[in-house]
Amino acid sequence: NAGVTQTPKFRVLKTGQSMTLLCAQDMNHEYMYWYRQDPGMGLRLIHYSVGEGTTAKGEVPDGYNVSRLKKQNFLLGLESAAPSQTSVYFCASSYNKVTSGSFSTDTQYFGPGTRLTVL
Amino acid sequence: DQQVKQNSPSLSVQEGRISILNCDYTNSMFDYFLWYKKYPAEGPTFLISISSIKDKNEDGRFTVFLNKSAKHLSLHIVPSQPGDSAVYFCAASGSGTSYGKLTFGQGTILTVHP
Repeated sequence: NAGVTQTPKFRVLKTGQSMTLLCAQDMNHEYMYWYRQDPGMGLRLIHYSVGEGTTAKGEVPDGYNVSRLKKQNFLLGLESAAPSQTSVYFCASSYNKVTSGSFSTDTQYFGPGTRLTVL
Repeated sequence: DQQVKQNSPSLSVQEGRISILNCDYTNSMFDYFLWYKKYPAEGPTFLISISSIKDKNEDGRFTVFLNKSAKHLSLHIVPSQPGDSAVYFCAASGSGTSYGKLTFGQGTILTVHP
């Protein structure tokens, strides 16, 4: 049981290049998320998915696209990288459940992160 | 607009003493709160959570307190250990928002000295 894994761990891009970050989870979770972490900003949600074939925008979606073709994988794409996208990217997954008549966030399990530098 | 704030960037505590990490929020729709712990070069790991129907939740050395009227929560670690040295993030979610979305604070770096 590997939990949540991310590929690659590190990457350096030049402005304008494209790349895809891969997130995989083996916990059969329905929900998956992409966050970015910047100094002094905490983690900010980029995009998320509530199930296979569905995606939705988070807090900072501009410049990113995502796809959830398989339940266990969530891909984050940068079509034309910019220096402002230099950050550490974290993927997470969770199995949401209903509690006490209202939805509550189940525990989100995070991957180890991808450190991306855009020159 | 920072809806979840951790106003102390860092905290230094002696081993064996209590560590108190604070978090404030502004969105009254938040009804579920979590604390995550993060070591360098690793992803955040879940520590403890609390629902808005409670004002306290305890798990071993970790206790989270929620004051809804003040929109404030705190994490108490007793006794603190050097292995607790990490960045601590508080996070919040609400039934009125899209399910599963968490809003994180900026984090507090806890250093526990032997």
